[in-house]
Amino acid sequence: TQLLKQSPQFLSIQEGENLTVYCNSSSVFSSLQWYRQEPGEGPVLLVTVVTGGEVKKLKRLTFQFGDARKDSSLHITAAQPGDTGLYLCAGALPREYGNKLVFGAGTILRVKS
Amino acid sequence: GAVVSQHPSRVICKSGTSVKIECRSLDFQATTMFWYRQFPKQSLMLMATSNEGSKATYEQGVEKDKFLINHASLTLSTLTVTSAHPEDSSFYICSASTGVTDTQYFGPGTRLTVL
Repeated sequence: TQLLKQSPQFLSIQEGENLTVYCNSSSVFSSLQWYRQEPGEGPVLLVTVVTGGEVKKLKRLTFQFGDARKDSSLHITAAQPGDTGLYLCAGALPREYGNKLVFGAGTILRVKS
Repeated sequence: GAVVSQHPSRVICKSGTSVKIECRSLDFQATTMFWYRQFPKQSLMLMATSNEGSKATYEQGVEKDKFLINHASLTLSTLTVTSAHPEDSSFYICSASTGVTDTQYFGPGTRLTVL
């Protein structure tokens, strides 16, 4: 059973603070995706990381993929209330497993103004 | 690009009736579509994987006779919840993949309420 442990589960911070969300697994993924979801809507893709050690930046968001492609992190700098939402990491299994995604449990982020 | 739509966005039905949810990839061809179920403040739970023109593959514990999936074309998959009961009430989300990469693009979800 492939598991993707995501932490923390809940995060409530003040506007302007920094935060990091972690996803860890004992399994190797062909890629890892980060999504953000708001209540009543579907997940929206933020980034896909593919290469071990890869770092991608999207404005105030920095995504890292571990060298062994088993773990990833999302770092948000100077969080804003608009960052509030559910953040999901998802690891892609190899094609022989049907291109399925293994999802972390999610991190509910609340940024207070 | 990579837009996925779902219809309806919300549906309320009586216990015992069947409900069909459509998932469409609007600007790309989806060789594979996935159906998920999500409970409040929880992550997504994969129900089944469907490839165009072939039978869906269901995850363990998901009743294939209750959740009928059809992937008739490269842009459309449907999920039919048969003989719905209140415990089937949930947020159902589909995703689509081109098959070229691992990336899945998600629809906006369908809120099903069974009375």
